[in-house]
Order: sequence, then C-alpha cells, then structure tokens
Amino acid sequence: EVQLVESGGDLVQPGGSLRLSCAASGFTFSSFDIHWVRQVTGKGLEWVSTIRTAGDTYYADSVKGRFTISRENAKNSLYLQMDSLRAEDTAVYYCARDGMVGSRPLDYWGQGTLVTVSS
Amino acid sequence: QSVLTQPPSASGTPGQRVTISCSGSSSNIGSNPVNWYQQLPGTAPKLLIYSNNQRPSGVPDRFSGSKSGTSASLAISGLQSEDEADYYCATWDDGLTFGGGTKLTVL
Repeated sequence: EVQLVESGGDLVQPGGSLRLSCAASGFTFSSFDIHWVRQVTGKGLEWVSTIRTAGDTYYADSVKGRFTISRENAKNSLYLQMDSLRAEDTAVYYCARDGMVGSRPLDYWGQGTLVTVSS
Repeated sequence: QSVLTQPPSASGTPGQRVTISCSGSSSNIGSNPVNWYQQLPGTAPKLLIYSNNQRPSGVPDRFSGSKSGTSASLAISGLQSEDEADYYCATWDDGLTFGGGTKLTVL
C-alpha cells in the first residue's frame, strides 16, 4: 500500500526556519517525482515545489529562494527546508506522488502537516 | 487569484447530474491535459480524474471529465450525499497550477 506521511510542522516565528519531512512506503520511491502542495485553512491548493527522479527541482515564485526541496532515496524520504518564513506561509503542507503518466497527476497524497508562522 | 477559473460553488439534489467548469488559457489547459481532485471535508485531496477523462481505479463511473480548447469540465451523475466536497482542476503551466476550487453541496 502506498503511503506518504508528513512530519515536522510546528509553530515558528516570522523569519524563522523549519524542515518538513515526508516518509514514503509501498512503492519504489526513487522512481517517482514528488511534490509539495500547501493549503491555507479554508482556501485552495497551491503548488509549492517539485523534485524529479534525477534531482531537478522546481519552485513556485512565492517560495523561490526561501524553500529548498530535497530527497534521500536510501531513506525513502522527501524534505522541505523552509527559511525566512512569513505569515503567508501558514498552511497545511502535503507531499504527493507524481503518477508519472502524461498528465502527471498527483496520485497519492499524505495527510498533511500544519505550519503556523506567527509571533 | 487562480490562473484556472472555477465557480466557487455548485449544488444539486441526490440523483441529479452536476457539472463543474474549469477555464484556463492556451498556455495551460490549451496545451496540457487536466486532472481533477476531490477533497472531502477534513481530508487530503484525492485524485479523481486524470488526463482529462481517465478515472483511477476505484473511482465510480458516475464521475467523468472532458476538455475542449482552453476549458475543462467535471461531471457527476447520480449525485450522492457523499459527493459533497471541494473539487479542484489542475494542469501544468510553468509549474503545477490549481483552480480555485468548487464547493459542491448536495441539497
């Protein structure tokens, strides 16, 4: 069974840092692109970042230069290093697997981890 | 403001057919296939439709998708109370782009 489990969400002050983790199981992690998507409470979904199997990384303009996505295939783990956090980064953060077919659907999602940026 | 435009709300009675639209542009929907996600209250999103009109295993055939030009649609026939959820369209356009979401209410 495919599973994605996020962790690391917390309350952090503006300007602070946080590292999110996503533990994957039930599939060959190294063979799939993985994404981070966030959702402000009561609002819509926003793509944050993508890491491809070859290690190429992509970021939304809203987080570029502040967030860093990485993966550790030996540990079946995905990370999101979040620096210079702002109040508008407050959201539930989901990791999601890329289905690796033409439309690149996000076919499995974790349960999410809550990041709150506030003083 | 989302690049993909969805109506904020939709509603129907049990058994009815409901459609949700998703409008984009030549750089997103016009150039790429569309996926749809269902988010039940308090849960993570779930893939509902991929590649415009394909259903993942386990998704009932009451759900169908279509695309024409720069617009896409999700149709739900035989509406059921458990279909009450938020629905999001998504495609690729200089990154993954989601619609603003449509809250479906089953009256």
